[in-house]
Amino acid sequence: SYVLTQPPSVSVAPGQTARITCGGNNIGSKSVHWYQQKPGQAPVLVVYDDSDRPSGIPERFSGSNSGNTATLTISRVEAGDEADYYCQVWDSSSDHPVFGTGTKVTVL
Amino acid sequence: QVQLQESGPGLVKPSETLSLTCTVSGGSISSYYWSWIRQPPGKGLEWIGYIYYSGSTNYNPSLKSRVTISVDTSKNQFSLKLSSVTAADTAVYYCARQRPWANGSPPGWFDPWGQGTLVTVSS
Repeated sequence: SYVLTQPPSVSVAPGQTARITCGGNNIGSKSVHWYQQKPGQAPVLVVYDDSDRPSGIPERFSGSNSGNTATLTISRVEAGDEADYYCQVWDSSSDHPVFGTGTKVTVL
Repeated sequence: QVQLQESGPGLVKPSETLSLTCTVSGGSISSYYWSWIRQPPGKGLEWIGYIYYSGSTNYNPSLKSRVTISVDTSKNQFSLKLSSVTAADTAVYYCARQRPWANGSPPGWFDPWGQGTLVTVSS
């Protein structure tokens, strides 16, 4: 089955840029969606279809996808961005969704 | 806007059946995939399966033998049954909406999600 690999953790200072990668075989051919999950809360969609943002999500959140890696970029990181982030795609070969392993973002 | 709310027992005995219901408010249950997703404590997200409003289903192969998802369009609800549970099924269970196949494009993102409900399997 299709596997999405994320780094377990990313640390970033306030005001800097955090980049969270999501690796998968030829992931650039798929649409990638990203979720933010704060402790004790349900996941929230922050980027869909590689680079689109739902209404209400700050422009600081952006996404890209090419080759074997998709990336969620958080610019001008704030303390409130500290959370777990998950990528997700649809695996057409198995006809079901797949989530990445998750990345914990720590704001120093 | 559409909101989802999970309900059901928070404690289930080993070997018994876990049953949860998701109530959809603020919109119709038609025209979308309605999924169950779970998250064991301290771990990542695992998709369990979805149901389309028509009743067609798709399950995670790793759980397929134990999972049944059903829909009640008259109540705007869909439900999960997971049989023969063990401690490994202890998790927060979420329900979520997903856009189905459309014009050759595969199903999309999950939005919105319910708040989640913790189900503990223990005697």
